[in-house]
Amino acid sequence: QQQVKQSPQSLIVQKGGISIINCAYENTAFDYFPWYQQFPGKGPALLIAIRPDVSEKKEGRFTISFNKSAKQFSLHIMDSQPGDSATYFCAASMRSNDYKLSFGAGTTVTVRA
Amino acid sequence: DAGITQSPRHKVTETGTPVTLRCHQTENHRYMYWYRQDPGHGLRLIHYSYGVKDTDKGEVSDGYSVSRSKTEDFLLTLESATSSQTSVYFCAIGTSGDNEQFFGPGTRLTVL
Repeated sequence: QQQVKQSPQSLIVQKGGISIINCAYENTAFDYFPWYQQFPGKGPALLIAIRPDVSEKKEGRFTISFNKSAKQFSLHIMDSQPGDSATYFCAASMRSNDYKLSFGAGTTVTVRA
Repeated sequence: DAGITQSPRHKVTETGTPVTLRCHQTENHRYMYWYRQDPGHGLRLIHYSYGVKDTDKGEVSDGYSVSRSKTEDFLLTLESATSSQTSVYFCAIGTSGDNEQFFGPGTRLTVL
């Protein structure tokens, strides 16, 4: 069973708009929640990550919001640019399980100029 | 790609043939992982290694075996390839004490 559920499957946003991707998890033992960005033909690249003791983390135009009680976290892409068009994956892992990542199914983001 | 290479990058093979994919790292990281990527499934863990000669199964390990005889190399073997193993395979590396994982460029495998 998929331990991390991601939505939407795809989204289209205008240049300068905000992209929002949501993920939900079941296992409260997860202690690390990364987001990966993947371009066609490339491997996933670590974009930003958060730990459950923090409710928000911002790096440039990318922000993770984390809601521990709801077991949900989301990625916000502010001022979306055509270069942000990619597939984004949320994931979760725990130190006690050899850091194995459980991935969401992915969201394809298209930014229209 | 954080000092990770995968070979081959593309391979076409026939059902029933053995296939070995190689992951090589120059980072001296303890952990190495093999994932497969299929549409609608994200990435799923096949096998991983937590040290030389120390390996364990992931969620989709059936039909796959792995070996790690030295820190820098992690091999994934399909003993008898099937069409259901057509996929893109990614290797990742990570350190102990840190959850971060870094991915290689991937191998696209087609089993006819």
